[in-house]
Amino acid sequence: GQQVMQIPQYQHVQEGEDFTTYCNSSTTLSNIQWYKQRPGGHPVFLIQLVKSGEVKKQKRLTFQFGEAKKNSSLHITATQTTDVGTYFCAGQVRGGGSYIPTFGRGTSLIVHP
Amino acid sequence: NAGVTQTPKFRILKIGQSMTLQCAQDMNHNYMYWYRQDPGMGLKLIYYSVGAGITDKGEVPNGYNVSRSTTEDFPLRLELAAPSQTSVYFCASSRDSPNQPQHFGDGTRLSIL
Repeated sequence: GQQVMQIPQYQHVQEGEDFTTYCNSSTTLSNIQWYKQRPGGHPVFLIQLVKSGEVKKQKRLTFQFGEAKKNSSLHITATQTTDVGTYFCAGQVRGGGSYIPTFGRGTSLIVHP
Repeated sequence: NAGVTQTPKFRILKIGQSMTLQCAQDMNHNYMYWYRQDPGMGLKLIYYSVGAGITDKGEVPNGYNVSRSTTEDFPLRLELAAPSQTSVYFCASSRDSPNQPQHFGDGTRLSIL
């Protein structure tokens, strides 16, 4: 089935450092969604990217969708302890048999004060 | 609005027992989903529904059953519980299509002993 690969699995940073997580697919995606899950919580929708090369910003978070629509990234500038959690991408394959988005395994961000 | 409500929050089952995980949403969403989340493995789709009376299998449906008699409710049934079904189960919904943001419930933490 469709796979959406997400790296790294874990990332430790010192507060104030930047953080990036990457999402890759072997097939073209119609769109990609990003979610954040706080420890012990449930995933919460952050953003959706649809267009090739699209870049969206939410305060210190920058989301990009690759030109080929096969990869995406989430970059956090100057991390804070409130950024702790697991970040998931979910990609929908264009023309795929299942049109339900597939979640990556997530990247867990640990911020050390 | 309550959003997506899952009950129970925690449950311990013995091997071979059965139970139903309840999920209800009050947002009049057509799409509903059941996921299981194992440590480091992201979210795996069990079943989904595109509307009342319509359900379909996801990536990991074995050992589970669902029904969707109303727009609001989407219960997940475990028959003959096995230790491999120990997991955190999330129910989610989206308005008119899987391209739209998914809203998640708080999850049910299930242990099979």
